[in-house]
Amino acid sequence: TQLLEQSPQFLSIQEGENLTVYCNSSSVFSSLQWYRQEPGEGPVLLVTVVTGGEVKKLKRLTFQFGDARKDSSLHITAAQPGDTGLYLCAGGAGGTSYGKLTFGQGTILTVHP
Amino acid sequence: NAGVTQTPKFQVLKTGQSMTLQCAQDMNHNSMYWYRQDPGMGLRLIYYSASEGTTDKGEVPNGYNVSRLNKREFSLRLESAAPSQTSVYFCASSGRLAAYNEQFFGPGTRLTVL
Repeated sequence: TQLLEQSPQFLSIQEGENLTVYCNSSSVFSSLQWYRQEPGEGPVLLVTVVTGGEVKKLKRLTFQFGDARKDSSLHITAAQPGDTGLYLCAGGAGGTSYGKLTFGQGTILTVHP
Repeated sequence: NAGVTQTPKFQVLKTGQSMTLQCAQDMNHNSMYWYRQDPGMGLRLIYYSASEGTTDKGEVPNGYNVSRLNKREFSLRLESAAPSQTSVYFCASSGRLAAYNEQFFGPGTRLTVL
């Protein structure tokens, strides 16, 4: 069974601060996806990284896939109240597990004005 | 284009009652999934259907059954609800079978079992 550990579980910061969320595993994943979920809604995909060492940027969000494809990070620069939400990482296994994702526990981010 | 739709949005059941959660997608996706979300535990896969006519167990299938009615619809049934099944249920779909296919989620069904 593959596991993804996300940290921290909760993050409460002031507007303008920077933050990093980590997603770690002892297993190798074919891909790593990051989702954002707002209260009362389903998760929405932010990005997919598939190559070890890959870095993707989405405005103020920077996503990185570890060289060994076992870990990933999400860095937010100058956080805004609109960034508030639950952030989930999810790993894709490949092989006979086509289409199945393993989700981390999530990080609840609150950005105060 | 509605994406993934789920009904109902909220439901309260008594222990032992049965119900079916409905899910439909209009993106012509092959694969569909049912997850449950509990505080601090992320999303856990209950059942999935890689393609029309096939279903497979996920991480937490006990107490649930599914039906892939056609390519668009994938339902989740609780035959005898238990308080441990109180959760938020999400349906998702994806359009590729590759390892890094992205999943599109519905708005969820919040289920309480008393």
